Amino acid sequence: QSALTQPPSASGSPGQSVTISCTGTSSDVGGYNYVSWYQQHPGKAPKLMIYEVSKRPSGVPDRFSGSKSGNTASLTVSGLQAEDEADYYCNSYAGSTTYVVFGGGTKLTVL
Amino acid sequence: EVQLVESGGGLVQPGGSLRLSCAASGITVSSNFMSWVRQAPGKGLEYVSVIYSGGSTHYADSVKGRFTISRDNSKNTLYLQMNSLRAEDTAVYYCARRVDFAFDIWGQGTMVTVSS
Repeated sequence: QSALTQPPSASGSPGQSVTISCTGTSSDVGGYNYVSWYQQHPGKAPKLMIYEVSKRPSGVPDRFSGSKSGNTASLTVSGLQAEDEADYYCNSYAGSTTYVVFGGGTKLTVL
Repeated sequence: EVQLVESGGGLVQPGGSLRLSCAASGITVSSNFMSWVRQAPGKGLEYVSVIYSGGSTHYADSVKGRFTISRDNSKNTLYLQMNSLRAEDTAVYYCARRVDFAFDIWGQGTMVTVSS
């Protein structure tokens, strides 16, 4: 069982928006603004999409956005494209003892 | 070009040992926080270990006492020594740089299979 809870699946049609949630506790997501999101295509390494809750690394389309409210973080993908179909994982800093925790992952399907 | 290349994976019997390597180019391993993250077949990502630029280390509870993270500054390479391996350690092992509380650069991964 993963430390952070994500829905196993999400879907949307091309052009639509979809939001993936990531629920933790006050010891991780709720306690720090250090949530990051990763995209992983089959057989490939993860790719950083969002860091520090809502910041985008250079090269990541602005269709990807992140937010947080309380113990729940969210990743929103707007204007869905076929290449967005992938697994998405959230991650949060969890203090010096645990260090970091991952969510179980969400498979995003573009219909 | 920034690149991390893992090697050293393979098939090992339960109780055995294996050392993974992660050769870096374009970044200096000793100046960065460097981590290992693993992914069991069909499963999600799991943090394994980190070594800070100052040399201190941290391990997930699942590997504490069995795995050791280290680096060779002269070779600009990160290592993961894995002892007392168990079936549940079977996974693809990725090395990754830790910056701004995120894993921003990842290697392609190396597969470790623990089986008799």
